[in-house]
Amino acid sequence: KAGVTQTPRYLIKTRGQQVTLSCSPISGHRSVSWYQQTPGQGLQFLFEYFSETQRNKGNFPGRFSGRQFSNSRSEMNVSTLELGDSALYLCASSLGYNQETQYFGPGTRLLVL
Amino acid sequence: AQKVTQAQTEISVVEKEDVTLDCVYETRDTTYYLFWYKQPPSGELVFLIRRNSFDEQNEISGRYSWNFQKSTSSFNFTITASQVVDSAVYFCALSEAVGSGYSTLTFGKGTMLLVSP
Repeated sequence: KAGVTQTPRYLIKTRGQQVTLSCSPISGHRSVSWYQQTPGQGLQFLFEYFSETQRNKGNFPGRFSGRQFSNSRSEMNVSTLELGDSALYLCASSLGYNQETQYFGPGTRLLVL
Repeated sequence: AQKVTQAQTEISVVEKEDVTLDCVYETRDTTYYLFWYKQPPSGELVFLIRRNSFDEQNEISGRYSWNFQKSTSSFNFTITASQVVDSAVYFCALSEAVGSGYSTLTFGKGTMLLVSP
């Protein structure tokens, strides 16, 4: 089975712009979670989608949003980028039941200038 | 709120040495899962192990072994005869049930392991 894929792998944006990141889960997985990783804060949970519905959300401002499509692919959007949004954004997929293992993609490295 | 502590920020060893990475967790749940992930320089988190809170048996997989002790809320990870390819950041994570059947992961800060030849 192919693993979790994320596009793009690297991105450079300027403050005030918006960005959309994409994640394709492992075939058959219906849950997609997003995490932000920074040197200062470590790995932090952003949100989780299951069957096109957001089930859980972390403590991030409303500038961070996401969605999931009927094929389980997910996108996350960050509007009005700030320098502090520079991070590695990781997507993880799982079957979505009973706390199964989450499998991670390679991440998207976002640099905000 | 749940919490995962990895007190060791960085560990340096020479190849063939054994090394233990510590993980201490806090949770009020009675049912939870613990995980270890490896993050090589490429950035992808690689799943290593998942352990249910009711299963305190130690596990061995090749050079890797895990010691889960509920009494001390610890889930330590040992690499035997370390190799240069083991160099990575290792994360311990705790899964908390948020709703019916689903959960979110809380990660520790990670331990960077450097194995030199």
